[in-house]
Amino acid sequence: GENVEQHPSTLSVQEGDSAVIKCTYSDSASNYFPWYKQELGKGPQLIIDIRSNVGEKKDQRIAVTLNKTAKHFSLHITETQPEDSAVYFCAAKTPSWGKLQFGAGTQVVVTP
Amino acid sequence: DTGVSQDPRHKITKRGQNVTFRCDPISEHNRLYWYRQTLGQGPEFLTYFQNEAQLEKSRLLSDRFSAERPKGSFSTLEIQRTEQGDSAMYLCASSPGDRPMSYTFGSGTRLTVV
Repeated sequence: GENVEQHPSTLSVQEGDSAVIKCTYSDSASNYFPWYKQELGKGPQLIIDIRSNVGEKKDQRIAVTLNKTAKHFSLHITETQPEDSAVYFCAAKTPSWGKLQFGAGTQVVVTP
Repeated sequence: DTGVSQDPRHKITKRGQNVTFRCDPISEHNRLYWYRQTLGQGPEFLTYFQNEAQLEKSRLLSDRFSAERPKGSFSTLEIQRTEQGDSAMYLCASSPGDRPMSYTFGSGTRLTVV
């Protein structure tokens, strides 16, 4: 089945700097790659997603890039703010329709 | 619409007891998913419903676990003869038919087996 690896596991950045989280996936048939933000005591919230027919997508301060050849995708957060502090998960849609395979998560801490 | 609602938020149970969790999805969403999340890990898929039909079950879902969605609306997840290894956050998500991958998660039920 699909396997998603996520790095780093923790990331500490100064407010205003950029944060980058990288994920790799194993199944070349995967075609949908969402990113979720999870705050303490809450469920994951979808923040951005990308499909395999697109190489890059941007939404205000966040962007996602996809390299299908290398089977990796990345989340970029620019001008980080303290409210960006959370755990971020990448995921990939497996060929088994309906199911997402998640990475292990990245704890992002933005210090003022 | 209040999003995906899960009840209870927390459950502490003794090993060997049965527990049942409830999920109320967003009303117009016909797809419903259960995931399990342990500390420091991403959510792991357990099972998936389209309307009332259970279409897929993970190998993680042993015979002690059962899920239902009897009328295609709310769903229940029951764990029989709980074990300490069942301690986790149980997350429910739903998605609409026209955007099946656009999950909305609930806040989860945290289970502690003592």
